[in-house]
Amino acid sequence: DAKTTQPTSMDCAEGRAANLPCNHSTISGNEYVYWYRQIHSQGPQYIIHGLKNNETNEMASLIITEDRKSSTLILPHATLRDTAVYYCIVSSSGTYKYIFGTGTRLKVLA
Amino acid sequence: GAVVSQHPSWVICKSGTSVKIECRSLDFQATTMFWYRQFPKQSLMLMATSNEGSKATYEQGVEKDKFLINHASLTLSTLTVTSAHPEDSSFYICSARGTGSGMTDTQYFGPGTRLTVL
Repeated sequence: DAKTTQPTSMDCAEGRAANLPCNHSTISGNEYVYWYRQIHSQGPQYIIHGLKNNETNEMASLIITEDRKSSTLILPHATLRDTAVYYCIVSSSGTYKYIFGTGTRLKVLA
Repeated sequence: GAVVSQHPSWVICKSGTSVKIECRSLDFQATTMFWYRQFPKQSLMLMATSNEGSKATYEQGVEKDKFLINHASLTLSTLTVTSAHPEDSSFYICSARGTGSGMTDTQYFGPGTRLTVL
């Protein structure tokens, strides 16, 4: 079973920030938090990952709570092309296995 | 960087035939590759993990004699669906974990292969 829970769907206005939450209350000390997105009929695209510190790259920011039991992916200025299913995954540095949950279907509205 | 390709992108075959899908890491070496299956409107399901030069490790419920995986080099893994049946019709996706600096802890996914068995 997936170790993460996410809302099924969210809407966001174009140009606004999209904040996608993820709960991973059973995360272990050696497990990273990864975010990917999947646009229809394509392979998942890597967005960002982190262990305990907040991370930022050209695509997004990742905010991880101090107790590491939840995180938020932030797309600072959502565009229509950001419409996709977003997956939050926790994975250890031992197995590197990903168990996908159901993800959040983000719809960016014009 | 970190590009993974799959071939073919789609395939249609008759029931009872075998189909081979290739997964290549184009600009990095992959010590580990993973194979997933995705049915319509569902999430990705991990089928197996393959390490270069060793036998694949299959997830519970995945038939290893039906889904043959070979990882002969650091840039190529193949999945062969043997004696395919209509219920094997699905979207098959591979991923690769890199070996270089900054890549060892991330999987990069291929574009997927859509298999339709008639």
